[in-house]
Amino acid sequence: KQEVTQIPAALSVPEGENLVLNCSFTDSAIYNLQWFRQDPGKGLTSLLLIQSSQREQTSGRLNASLDKSSGRSTLYIAASQPGDSATYLCAVIGTDKLIFGTGTRLQVFP
Amino acid sequence: GAGVSQTPSNKVTEKGKYVELRCDPISGHTALYWYRQSLGQGPEFLIYFQGTGAADDSGLPNDRFFAVRPEGSVSTLKIQRTERGDSAVYLCASSTGTSNNEQFFGPGTRLTVL
Repeated sequence: KQEVTQIPAALSVPEGENLVLNCSFTDSAIYNLQWFRQDPGKGLTSLLLIQSSQREQTSGRLNASLDKSSGRSTLYIAASQPGDSATYLCAVIGTDKLIFGTGTRLQVFP
Repeated sequence: GAGVSQTPSNKVTEKGKYVELRCDPISGHTALYWYRQSLGQGPEFLIYFQGTGAADDSGLPNDRFFAVRPEGSVSTLKIQRTERGDSAVYLCASSTGTSNNEQFFGPGTRLTVL
């Protein structure tokens, strides 16, 4: 059974820092991995999708990497801003459904 | 274009009542998913539709939960004899159903069972 773990569970940093959020999964037989952002009381916003044949994806200040063999993905956030404060979720797709981690709650203070 | 929409945004009901939650996917998306998110947890899969048929309903917790998608577009999640443990945010997502399979989520329905 696929299990997804995210470390750390919570993170509080000053504005301007570069951050790394970690995601690990137990079964390397995945199609894709997707990173989401969730603001309090809101739905999920897709940030990046990495297909299993890819090693990384970039969007603006965000960079996500995927190492299927070791069952790991990282989300790198450059030059963090208070507006980045949210919960970040990673999810893997084995067949069709997403299997989520419990998220990293990020707070960036001015 | 319009994203995934869900109604109602909030639903408060009493234990034992019946509720229906609606999801309107992105136009043209053939795949539709329902997830449930409890406080402090990641979403958990409930059911997946490809077109009108339920391709995978392995996440439905018991037979009180049922979902339909009669015309391959809008879907309704139905919960009978609600229990306090059903309280959660119910999220709907849709995708093109291709191998890319990027899923786009709606804002969710917050269900509270008193």
